[in-house]
Amino acid sequence: RKEVEQDPGPFNVPEGATVAFNCTYSNSASQSFFWYRQDCRKEPKLLMSVYSSGNEDGRFTAQLNRASQYISLLIRDSKLSDSATYLCVVNRRTGNQFYFGTGTSLTVIP
Amino acid sequence: EAQVTQNPRYLITVTGKKLTVTCSQNMNHEYMSWYRQDPGLGLRQIYYSMNVEVTDKGDVPEGYKVSRKEKRNFPLILESPSPNQTSLYFCASSLNQPTSGSWYEQYFGPGTRLTVT
Repeated sequence: RKEVEQDPGPFNVPEGATVAFNCTYSNSASQSFFWYRQDCRKEPKLLMSVYSSGNEDGRFTAQLNRASQYISLLIRDSKLSDSATYLCVVNRRTGNQFYFGTGTSLTVIP
Repeated sequence: EAQVTQNPRYLITVTGKKLTVTCSQNMNHEYMSWYRQDPGLGLRQIYYSMNVEVTDKGDVPEGYKVSRKEKRNFPLILESPSPNQTSLYFCASSLNQPTSGSWYEQYFGPGTRLTVT
């Protein structure tokens, strides 16, 4: 079973729409959670860390559900510039390795 | 400017010809790592290093070597490249995990696109 799984999409949404991505992780010992954004095979860049209580950064909201072992990313009022691939990343409490999902592709359409 | 640099950015080589991809960071980060990215497989960790002279295997270390002689540099060595190592490679760095709490973010280099024929 993969350490981290994401729906690859693609998600094609109109400007202004709200879109949500989920990511499931298999190891209950996972401790650190992140969403990264990757544009067109460029380097990944941190979008936001995901905290136990959930956190928000402008139009972006991240949630963690430890019981069901998934994290989510909600994007409100989508912009054309949000078009990218969103990568879910987890790290185990007892390890120093990072596990990436395969990414979810988002295209925001005018 | 805080950054991770990788060289070369693009490389086409032939099977069996040893090559090194360099990685350097100027943020005084302890943790450095190499990933490869392949379609449908996402980023997979090759090797990582918690500090100078400390390296560990990730999920896909076969066919690769690394060294960490200085804090800022973490080169990736392919002693005898094969076509299945054709991929997009990223180097990343971060501060080490604090004694309690979550990991810090990783900063990625711009990537090295390697083709082995």
